[in-house]
Amino acid sequence: TQLLEQSPQFLSIQEGENLTVYCNSSSVFSSLQWYRQEPGEGPVLLVTVVTGGEVKKLKRLTFQFGDARKDSSLHITAAQPGDTGLYLCAGAGQAGTALIFGKGTTLSVSS
Amino acid sequence: EPEVTQTPSHQVTQMGQEVILRCVPISNHLYFYWYRQILGQKVEFLVSFYNNEISEKSEIFDDQFSVERPDGSNFTLKIRSTKLEDSAMYFCASRGQGAMGEKLFFGSGTQLSVL
Repeated sequence: TQLLEQSPQFLSIQEGENLTVYCNSSSVFSSLQWYRQEPGEGPVLLVTVVTGGEVKKLKRLTFQFGDARKDSSLHITAAQPGDTGLYLCAGAGQAGTALIFGKGTTLSVSS
Repeated sequence: EPEVTQTPSHQVTQMGQEVILRCVPISNHLYFYWYRQILGQKVEFLVSFYNNEISEKSEIFDDQFSVERPDGSNFTLKIRSTKLEDSAMYFCASRGQGAMGEKLFFGSGTQLSVL
């Protein structure tokens, strides 16, 4: 069974701080996706990484896929209250197979 | 942006009753999924559906669960005899036919409460 472990589970920071959340597994994934979920809503895709070592940037968010395609990180620069939410990573074992989700990191950014 | 629509948004049922959760995937999508999220826990895969048949299912998706695409637009999840532990937020998702990592669109979910 493929498992994705996310850390930290909870993160509470002040506006303007930087943070990194991690997504780790002992399994190799063909692709890995990061989602953000608001209360009462479904997850919304932020980014997909496919190639080992790949780095993608989305404004203040930087996503990295590990060289071995077993782990990923999300770095947020100068966090803002609007970044508050649940961040989920999800991996696909093979192309077209269902996504397996981590438990998520709940981020709270206060002003 | 196109949306996946789920109804109802909330469903309360008695243990042992049958429930049908409904989803309208994005119109030109070909792959359909059901996930669930028990309060405070992770999003769990239930089943995927492609070309009018189940393509993959998890251990959670036992004989009490079934899926159907009764027409060209709806995709339903039926739970035949609900149990207390079926209480969760159920998400429908769909995606088009594309390369690896094709974007998965989620609906807003149906909150199922089994009493």
